[in-house]
Amino acid sequence: DTGVSQDPRHKITKRGQNVTFRCDPISEHNRLYWYRQTLGQGPEFLTYFQNEAQLEKSRLLSDRFSAERPKGSFSTLEIQRTEQGDSAMYLCASSFGIGTQYFGPGTRLLVL
Amino acid sequence: SQELEQSPQSLIVQEGKNLTINCTSSKTLYGLYWYKQKYGEGLIFLMMLQKGGEEKSHEKITAKLDEKKQQSSLHITASQPSHAGIYLCGADEGRGGATNKLIFGTGTLLAVQP
Repeated sequence: DTGVSQDPRHKITKRGQNVTFRCDPISEHNRLYWYRQTLGQGPEFLTYFQNEAQLEKSRLLSDRFSAERPKGSFSTLEIQRTEQGDSAMYLCASSFGIGTQYFGPGTRLLVL
Repeated sequence: SQELEQSPQSLIVQEGKNLTINCTSSKTLYGLYWYKQKYGEGLIFLMMLQKGGEEKSHEKITAKLDEKKQQSSLHITASQPSHAGIYLCGADEGRGGATNKLIFGTGTLLAVQP
């Protein structure tokens, strides 16, 4: 399977805990995006990378959120001191330049 | 900021019927994407439209971008249960697609009754 993969697919955590999600993009894609989707809504942009450089961050991305793409391949999204409002589907997408974004299956986070 | 409004919000059709989903933008569209999402899963790319008046088809799904580039429609002919899901339109926030940062509508939930 050469599509975008995300791990884990589901995560349940207690409020205040830290969580980390991983995204592996399509191998030749240099851009990687993170989105968040809550129930009944469309995905909302969080941040994106071109190679290893993080080029833009949404105001939705509070100081508790950090994303990295250290070698320009896979990316991680960490949420520190999780809150119940962080419960959502976290989607990763990748593209080659400004081409079509292809999405992964998502990581569903539930904060208790 | 740009907003996308989809209509209808939900739709139930009998198998074999045709249907249309609309996506209206508050600003000129420079790139309009249609994706399909099964509940709890990721988005599957369907089609991308860029030019006013453009129309693309894939199997029984046809998407159009109007001449003024502020509205797109997705038409499904002879619907099947496999067409069921959430259809999302997405637009590039950057003029000319420089950022490729997408904003999305709230989606249209389609159910197809056998």
